Amino acid sequence: QQQVKQSPQSLIVQKGGISIINCAYENTAFDYFPWYQQFPGKGPALLIAIRPDVSEKKEGRFTISFNKSAKQFSLHIMDSQPGDSATYFCAASRDFNKFYFGSGTKLNVKP
Amino acid sequence: NAGVTQTPKFRVLKTGQSMTLLCAQDMNHEYMYWYRQDPGMGLRLIHYSVGEGTTAKGEVPDGYNVSRLKKQNFLLGLESAAPSQTSVYFCASSADRTDQPQHFGDGTRLSIL
Repeated sequence: QQQVKQSPQSLIVQKGGISIINCAYENTAFDYFPWYQQFPGKGPALLIAIRPDVSEKKEGRFTISFNKSAKQFSLHIMDSQPGDSATYFCAASRDFNKFYFGSGTKLNVKP
Repeated sequence: NAGVTQTPKFRVLKTGQSMTLLCAQDMNHEYMYWYRQDPGMGLRLIHYSVGEGTTAKGEVPDGYNVSRLKKQNFLLGLESAAPSQTSVYFCASSADRTDQPQHFGDGTRLSIL
């Protein structure tokens, strides 16, 4: 049973548009929700993360929206650029010991 | 600063062979992790360690063993490789604080024929 469900599997966005990726979780004990970005042939790299005590976190063009009651969180990429084309993973953990990852979203930003 | 280094980068094995994947980190991190990445499955945790000399099972530990004899190294072993273990394996490390990110290596592509 997948602990974190991610959608969509793939996403095509025009340059300058907004990319939105969604994740849902079941375990209310999770207390840390990171998003990772992965380029081909490389390992994932942390993009932005949030804790459940806040509803939104913004870093540059990247924003996490968190809905604790719905057990959902999403990544918004504003003004999407071709350089943002990558695979994005959401994840969740409790006490920073075990991380559960979503299945990934392959983002393609068209010039 | 090397960060997390995985060796080898690529390997092809025959069914039944054994091998060890090495992960080394130079950030003095306490926590280390081994994941496997398969298409459409994301990353799944195999084993992890919260300090030198400790190991624990993750989501998919069967068929793998690990050791953390030195703080900077985390080894993943396959005693008798099976085609189902064909995957990309990632090692990660993190500090023992809840606001610290995981740092990943660039992966080991393992094919088992």
